[in-house]
Amino acid sequence: GQQVMQIPQYQHVQEGEDFTTYCNSSTTLSNIQWYKQRPGGHPVFLIQLVKSGEVKKQKRLTFQFGEAKKNSSLHITATQTTDVGTYFCAGGSNDYKLSFGAGTTVTVRA
Amino acid sequence: NAGVTQTPKFQVLKTGQSMTLQCAQDMNHNSMYWYRQDPGMGLRLIYYSASEGTTDKGEVPNGYNVSRLNKREFSLRLESAAPSQTSVYFCASSEPGTAYEQYFGPGTRLTVT
Repeated sequence: GQQVMQIPQYQHVQEGEDFTTYCNSSTTLSNIQWYKQRPGGHPVFLIQLVKSGEVKKQKRLTFQFGEAKKNSSLHITATQTTDVGTYFCAGGSNDYKLSFGAGTTVTVRA
Repeated sequence: NAGVTQTPKFQVLKTGQSMTLQCAQDMNHNSMYWYRQDPGMGLRLIYYSASEGTTDKGEVPNGYNVSRLNKREFSLRLESAAPSQTSVYFCASSEPGTAYEQYFGPGTRLTVT
């Protein structure tokens, strides 16, 4: 079945620095979604990418979908303490199921 | 609107006991899902219901059963709990379409001793 790998598992960032988390699928995806989970909370939808090569921005967050629709990345600039949490990518298929990556847990040093 | 609600929030069971986790959504979504979340393993799909009256196995269905009671409610049952089922359980719902983002409930933290 579809497998989604996400790296790194942990990201320790100095406040103000940038970082990127990467997502790779073993199969071609119909879309990729990104979620954020704050400590002790539940996953919250951030964005969906559908088109090959698509790039979307949300303030300091930039999301990319690869040309082959098998990989994606999330880049955060000028990291803030509000960015703390775990970021999951989830690969979508035509049957409306999602395969979640293991997540990147972000901690921020002030 | 409450979105997706789950009960209970916390539960401790002894090995062999049974229980049902309840989930309800008020967004009129057709699809509902049950996931479990374990450290370092992300969210793994247990069962899902694409629409009222249908249910299908996900990635890790063994030891669980589900019931789609109506369009709003989707319950998860553990017939004979095992320590390996200690986890955080999330229910989610979505509306199939071009953008079918999932809305998650607050989760149930289950410990089996």
